[in-house]
Amino acid sequence: QLQLQESGPGLVKPSETLSLTCTVSGGSISSSSYYWAWIRQPPGKGLEWIATIYFSGNTYYNPSLNSRLTISVDTSKNQFSLKLNSVTAADTAVYYCARQGLGELSFDSRFDPWGQGTLVTVSS
Amino acid sequence: SYELTQPLSVSVALGQTARITCGGDNIGSKNVHWYQQRPGQAPVLVIYRDMNRPSGIPERFSGSNSGNTATLTISRAQAGDEADYYCQVWDSDTGVGFGGGTKLIVL
Repeated sequence: QLQLQESGPGLVKPSETLSLTCTVSGGSISSSSYYWAWIRQPPGKGLEWIATIYFSGNTYYNPSLNSRLTISVDTSKNQFSLKLNSVTAADTAVYYCARQGLGELSFDSRFDPWGQGTLVTVSS
Repeated sequence: SYELTQPLSVSVALGQTARITCGGDNIGSKNVHWYQQRPGQAPVLVIYRDMNRPSGIPERFSGSNSGNTATLTISRAQAGDEADYYCQVWDSDTGVGFGGGTKLIVL
């Protein structure tokens, strides 16, 4: 059974860089069928897609976050990571990682399964 | 960005049928996925590609998509169905889009 687990600091200072890692177990991140994604949810609000990556390194970014984002994959560790720079209080959210898609994203872009999520608070 | 519109809340009597809509420009041409999120938990996929149920999701959950509206239907609503529900699509220009979410209230 595929499982995903987010890890990283729970508190980040304003203007600094938020860094998170998602560890995949029970399956290979190098599977040709799937993508890997980050989604966030501010407290009391809805879901916001952040970015998606394929094991080969192809990336898709939310246009509204693109300029601050870097997503990467480490196939040797079965992990993928997120870096969001110049954070503000508006970046406070629960951050989820998830497996995405089955084949082409334009055909099937579902997120399944999801990690349990990790709360990141931006505060001095 | 591709806009998806959901009602803030939908109420349903216990045992009755709830319908949650997701509106978007020609959404019928896209594949729509639906998620259930209970308080304090991660979202769970309940419908993928408009009308398909993942393993373990009850048959009471069904979906449809046509024109400018996709619909998640929950038959014989139970207290345990009370949750937030989100629709999601892929847009070729802007990537993933989520609806704003609908709170299902079971009376």
